[in-house]
Amino acid sequence: GNSVTQMEGPVTLSEEAFLTINCTYTATGYPSLFWYVQYPGEGLQLLLKATKADDKGSNKGFEATYRKETTSFHLEKGSVQVSDSAVYFCALSDHRGGADGLTFGKGTHLIIQP
Amino acid sequence: DGGITQSPKYLFRKEGQNVTLSCEQNLNHDAMYWYRQDPGQGLRLIYYSQIVNDFQKGDIAEGYSVSREKKESFPLTVTSAQKNPTAFYLCASSHGQAGEQFFGPGTRLTVL
Repeated sequence: GNSVTQMEGPVTLSEEAFLTINCTYTATGYPSLFWYVQYPGEGLQLLLKATKADDKGSNKGFEATYRKETTSFHLEKGSVQVSDSAVYFCALSDHRGGADGLTFGKGTHLIIQP
Repeated sequence: DGGITQSPKYLFRKEGQNVTLSCEQNLNHDAMYWYRQDPGQGLRLIYYSQIVNDFQKGDIAEGYSVSREKKESFPLTVTSAQKNPTAFYLCASSHGQAGEQFFGPGTRLTVL
């Protein structure tokens, strides 16, 4: 079956530091890949996505590149801010005609200190 | 503004009682989903519906039931058969196969 593995948290960084959150996946075919962000007590917001190999998704200074050869979709940001503190989820959709729910990683709690 | 609403935000129930969580969307999306979120577990799919009057079980459907009588609405009932109902419940919708999903703000259910 499908699975998503992402680095366990919490990840604690200082403001303006470089961020990498690793995500690898197992899926049949050619899935679409997503990063979602969840702020405390809220639902999930789509941060970025990529639908085919070598695509780069980007939004709000965050980037992730769909690497089929390494089955990875690592999230990066060059300079984090305190407001980036949240839980980040990597997810995939394998486009099956049956279960169309996303497969999520367990989430990475990011804490940015001023 | 288009979006997904869930109500209530917080819900308390006594053990053994059924409870229904509301989910409404005005995005004109065909597909809707219910997820359960527990600390350290990520999100797990409970039920999904790709079209009105049709729905399918997800990975953890036992103890839950749904209906899809209208395109805009996908209520979830947590029954007394659900052994550990205390959790954060998230509703989502999408255009259909393979599209990104849009999430509501969630309902935190606590069973006392």
